[in-house]
Amino acid sequence: DAKTTQPNSMESNEEEPVHLPCNHSTISGTDYIHWYRQLPSQGPEYVIHGLTSNVNNRMASLAIAEDRKSSTLILHRATLRDAAVYYCILRDRQTAGGTSYGKLTFGQGTILTVHP
Amino acid sequence: EAQVTQNPRYLITVTGKKLTVTCSQNMNHEYMSWYRQDPGLGLRQIYYSMNVEVTDKGDVPEGYKVSRKEKRNFPLILESPSPNQTSLYFCASSLTGMFGNTIYFGEGSWLTVV
Repeated sequence: DAKTTQPNSMESNEEEPVHLPCNHSTISGTDYIHWYRQLPSQGPEYVIHGLTSNVNNRMASLAIAEDRKSSTLILHRATLRDAAVYYCILRDRQTAGGTSYGKLTFGQGTILTVHP
Repeated sequence: EAQVTQNPRYLITVTGKKLTVTCSQNMNHEYMSWYRQDPGLGLRQIYYSMNVEVTDKGDVPEGYKVSRKEKRNFPLILESPSPNQTSLYFCASSLTGMFGNTIYFGEGSWLTVV
């Protein structure tokens, strides 16, 4: 499984931007970069994903390095509700019974603390 | 509303007493899977299913069984639970198993085996 490396924790102040980094130096050409977050006592929640180009949605932006060996999740204005564990995951190809599928392998993630 | 629903949410049971954790999704998704989450170990995949009647082992399948008789349901069966299966369990689904699809998770089932 392709691996990702994230800082264990980060802190931010409310209403400031947050840049969460992720290294994935062994990424392959077909790996999608996914970001999920897990709020306390809840299941993981999809944030954003991309393959090669930068991506934006209502929750966040994803900046992908040109060589794809790293990416950054950007929360434009952090709120207290953004305090969570953020997981950077490579959804890589697995094969079962002749069929390929994308497996999510979770690492330890980054604990984001947002201060009022 | 798109949902992955798990039941029960909380359960304390005794060693050896068979139990089933149900999982149902209302999004007509083909791909479903089960994860367990333990402190320091993160989320690990137990079993997954590509579609009806197609299931396979994940990273930690020992002690668990699954079935996929209908598209919407993917129950997790513990035939003879043991204390090391005390964990937080999540069911998940996505439209297909392909790499770009979003995965939706249930709210989790806290299981304690004494």
